[in-house]
Amino acid sequence: QKEVEQNSGPLSVPEGAIASLNCTYSDRGSQSFFWYRQYSGKSPELIMFIYSNGDKEDGRFTAQLNKASQYVSLLIRDSQPSDSATYLCAVLPRGQGGKLIFGQGTELSVKP
Amino acid sequence: GAVVSQHPSRVICKSGTSVKIECRSLDFQATTMFWYRQFPKQSLMLMATSNEGSKATYEQGVEKDKFLINHASLTLSTLTVTSAHPEDSSFYICSAAEGPNQPQHFGDGTRLSIL
Repeated sequence: QKEVEQNSGPLSVPEGAIASLNCTYSDRGSQSFFWYRQYSGKSPELIMFIYSNGDKEDGRFTAQLNKASQYVSLLIRDSQPSDSATYLCAVLPRGQGGKLIFGQGTELSVKP
Repeated sequence: GAVVSQHPSRVICKSGTSVKIECRSLDFQATTMFWYRQFPKQSLMLMATSNEGSKATYEQGVEKDKFLINHASLTLSTLTVTSAHPEDSSFYICSAAEGPNQPQHFGDGTRLSIL
């Protein structure tokens, strides 16, 4: 079992719709959870982080964390073509010296 | 805030050349910096973790004599690819974190092409 799992996609949504990206992780001791966006040929960009159970909202983005289910998700409201990218879920396990464990990424395509 | 600068952005050089890549945290002090490599259409691969003033910790399979890492200050880490060969051609990306539980912020990456 992979430590951090994401559907590779591609996930295709129409412009204006809600895109829902999901991630599960295996280490129950994980403390911090991050979502990065990576455009083709570019480096990852941090868009959200969440430490506590529940929802965290920032503009059109909402991160949701459920530690009991070992599940973290990212919702993108009013999706735009410029949101088309690969979204990386990253988990910070305890006692790993700050090393992130990345999922393989979900490719999102927002169609005009 | 949380800007990480990486230079150069692109390098093209002959086989056998050594290439140095710099990673700087511009507006925060980074206790830990990380070096990744990414091949086309593949996931990020962590190469090493670098803490200021101490030796880097390399991931399994990464040659420490090939990829020299120096983290001399809280704002600067360097990666030197020694005697580079075509198989070393890749996208090298650094990241920096202010603390052990803090988010990693990535530099823009260095695209290395060895002819």
